[in-house]
Amino acid sequence: EAQVTQNPRYLITVTGKKLTVTCSQNMNHEYMSWYRQDPGLGLRQIYYSMNVEVTDKGDVPEGYKVSRKEKRNFPLILESPSPNQTSLYFCASSYEGSSNQPQHFGDGTRLSIL
Amino acid sequence: AQRVTQPEKLLSVFKGAPVELKCNYSYSGSPELFWYVQYSRQRLQLLLRHISRESIKGFTADLNKGETSFHLKKPFAQEEDSAMYYCALNDYKLSFGAGTTVTVRA
Repeated sequence: EAQVTQNPRYLITVTGKKLTVTCSQNMNHEYMSWYRQDPGLGLRQIYYSMNVEVTDKGDVPEGYKVSRKEKRNFPLILESPSPNQTSLYFCASSYEGSSNQPQHFGDGTRLSIL
Repeated sequence: AQRVTQPEKLLSVFKGAPVELKCNYSYSGSPELFWYVQYSRQRLQLLLRHISRESIKGFTADLNKGETSFHLKKPFAQEEDSAMYYCALNDYKLSFGAGTTVTVRA
């Protein structure tokens, strides 16, 4: 089944403890991205990647890192999480970065930073 | 600057009534616009995109460049249409509106 898989689905952790949220897609998509969803703010893009080894900042990149060493994986790294990063995170992918391609979303990861 | 605006956070309609979700955008080129839907406890999924000009689940959306709008419409709402709806503009960076929660009452 074609899908975008995120892990973990839920995580409660403490301020300053490094964490990684993994994202993997099995559709051979070139384009991958991360979003956070907050009430009243909708979804905001954190980082995106047009292809392997190519990443770019989205609208809210502060406090996050990403890497794209392989086409299928696009992990989101929080080196020193803070409470304002408590949110619902979505990974998405699309066939290519052209603007008319729809994005396929994962199920989301709910992070709580205490 | 916000590129996509959804002015209504909440929309409540009765089953069988028409529903219209507003979306306005700001973009200087030819926009690629989408509507995504998120049903309760499910992932976001594409509802429709302006380029395909299709009707999905009875929903349609027309791009009006003069008014810079891409409103989503359905003539007869169903209870299963209750969900969060996001309008999005894509130019390699996908920008979402704040979303509209639709509740269809019996």
